[in-house]
Amino acid sequence: AQSVTQLDSHVSVSEGTPVLLRCNYSSSYSPSLFWYVQHPNKGLQLLLKYTSAATLVKGINGFEAEFKKSETSFHLTKPSAHMSDAAEYFCVVSGLSGNTPLVFGKGTRLSVIA
Amino acid sequence: DGGITQSPKYLFRKEGQNVTLSCEQNLNHDAMYWYRQDPGQGLRLIYYSQIVNDFQKGDIAEGYSVSREKKESFPLTVTSAQKNPTAFYLCASSLGVGEGYGYTFGSGTRLTVV
Repeated sequence: AQSVTQLDSHVSVSEGTPVLLRCNYSSSYSPSLFWYVQHPNKGLQLLLKYTSAATLVKGINGFEAEFKKSETSFHLTKPSAHMSDAAEYFCVVSGLSGNTPLVFGKGTRLSVIA
Repeated sequence: DGGITQSPKYLFRKEGQNVTLSCEQNLNHDAMYWYRQDPGQGLRLIYYSQIVNDFQKGDIAEGYSVSREKKESFPLTVTSAQKNPTAFYLCASSLGVGEGYGYTFGSGTRLTVV
């Protein structure tokens, strides 16, 4: 079955320092992978997606993620955190077959300290 | 602008009452989804629909019902059988169900049982 594990439920960084949000996935085939961001009391917004093209994927707001098949990982990074990056981040993997929904991780809450 | 509209933003319900949450999209997407979000549990799939007049149960369908009479609309009814309905509910849509299709989310409805 498809699954994702977000390794940290909460990450705290200082403004201007790098961000690393970790995600491991389990899939019976080469999956599509996504990162979404959710600000408080809002819907989710797509940050970036990997669909078997380049392994390094660039997204919005300076975020990027690297697909590493050997490590079954899809970690999200940003060189320098901004206060506006404080939010909940979800790692997502495609479903088991072509007609099943995406599978969401439990989320990582990012706090940015001034 | 194309998007998904959820209404109302906040909803209060007395125990024992049914309540319907609205979700409308003008993106011409075939697939629509309902998720429930509770703190620390990520997103859990309630129901999804791949096409008009068709829908499938997700992981936590008990106590909920849906209809898909129009492509644009996918209302969710929270029935009195749902034991713990207080939560944040998110509607989403996509071109299709399956890998590679990212979702567009609405802004959510916060339901509180009083």
